[in-house]
Order: sequence, then C-alpha cells, then structure tokens
Amino acid sequence: GQQLNQSPQSMFIQEGEDVSMNCTSSSIFNTWLWYKQDPGEGPVLLIALYKAGELTSNGRLTAQFGITRKDSFLNISASIPSDVGIYFCAGQLGYTGNQFYFGTGTSLTVIP
Amino acid sequence: SAVISQKPSRDICQRGTSLTIQCQVDSQVTMMFWYRQQPGQSLTLIATANQGSEATYESGFVIDKFPISRPNLTFSTLTVSNMSPEDSSIYLCSVADGLGQPQHFGDGTRLSIL
Repeated sequence: GQQLNQSPQSMFIQEGEDVSMNCTSSSIFNTWLWYKQDPGEGPVLLIALYKAGELTSNGRLTAQFGITRKDSFLNISASIPSDVGIYFCAGQLGYTGNQFYFGTGTSLTVIP
Repeated sequence: SAVISQKPSRDICQRGTSLTIQCQVDSQVTMMFWYRQQPGQSLTLIATANQGSEATYESGFVIDKFPISRPNLTFSTLTVSNMSPEDSSIYLCSVADGLGQPQHFGDGTRLSIL
C-alpha cells in the first residue's frame, strides 16, 4: 500500500506555542484529510483539502494541500492543553475511489 | 455528521474464539468501512462493506478471517474469526456520504486476545 510519512513523530510544546507538522508521500494525491485522535476514541475529521495549493482553516487550525500534490501541512496556532492527541493525515489517490491511506501519525503533547 | 456507534467498546477474548463487532449509524450512509489500528500504529483499511453483497477486501485481509455483513444502509458487522494474540487491535468503523468523500469514524472496539 501507499506510505504516508508524517513528521515529526512526536512533539512536546509549551501552551501558547504554534505547531507545524507535515505529511509526505511518493505518490500524487487528489484529496488530503487531517484527523485528530484522542485516547480511547476514533479519529475526528479536522480539515479536508481537495485542490493543490488550497489553504483551509478551522479555528486555530490551518492546513495546506501542497503544490506538488505529494504533501500536506497542518499548523496549530496558540496551542492549548486540549490540542493533545495524535494527528493523522490521510490521502486519496483518485477522485472516486474508496481507499484513503493514513499517515504514521504525529503525537502532540502540550505542557501547561 | 452521522453519529456512529460501535459495540462492544472493548473486549478480552480467548484465542481461537470469534467476536462480532457491530456498527450502527443514525442515518443512511452510502459507504461503510472497517479499519484496524494496531497498538501505537496508524489505520489500515480491512474492507469496504457493501450493502447486500460481499465486502471488498484489501490486500492481506480475507473473508474467512474477517467476515463482514451489511444488511442495510445503517448497519454493518465485522467478525474477527479464530482469534490469536496478533489480532489484538482497535477495530474502527467509518462511514462516508459517497465515493471519495471524507470518512467519519466510530470510537472503535478495543480487542485483546489472551
């Protein structure tokens, strides 16, 4: 299957700091999604991106669909303790397929 | 978005037994999927649950091990058969409004096999 590499694997930051993480692939994707997973729960969709270069915000979260279509980025501004969790990217190769490939995840810890 | 309920939320099973996991959605959805998330790992698609027909399995997953049913547009089951410790994982149900649409997940079933 497709390999989506997320970086960094884990992050420890102070409350109030900004966070940046990215997701890269060797393949071109047509859709990128970003999810957050809290312990004991399923992933929750944060942002969906459908077009190369697209920049989309959801509150303090901003995600971008990379121009090469092989990567995507997620930024969190002014982090708060409830931002703690694991962030996954997911990419889809075609516009009509079912298969979303998930990244390796970035674990975020926010220190109050 | 749809509310997705999975049962059981967790279970501890003996090796060699089978467990059926249920996924109930509060509205009709076009697509339903089953994923596996091994401890500390990412999500891997097991299969697409097709209403009224056999599920479509991904490479590495077979119907004999993971039989799936989808009798209608709001309900699906995944059975983990003849379990071994390697099957200890979180099993997640997801739904989507159509092909290529973002998927929404249930809270998962945490399965441990002794």
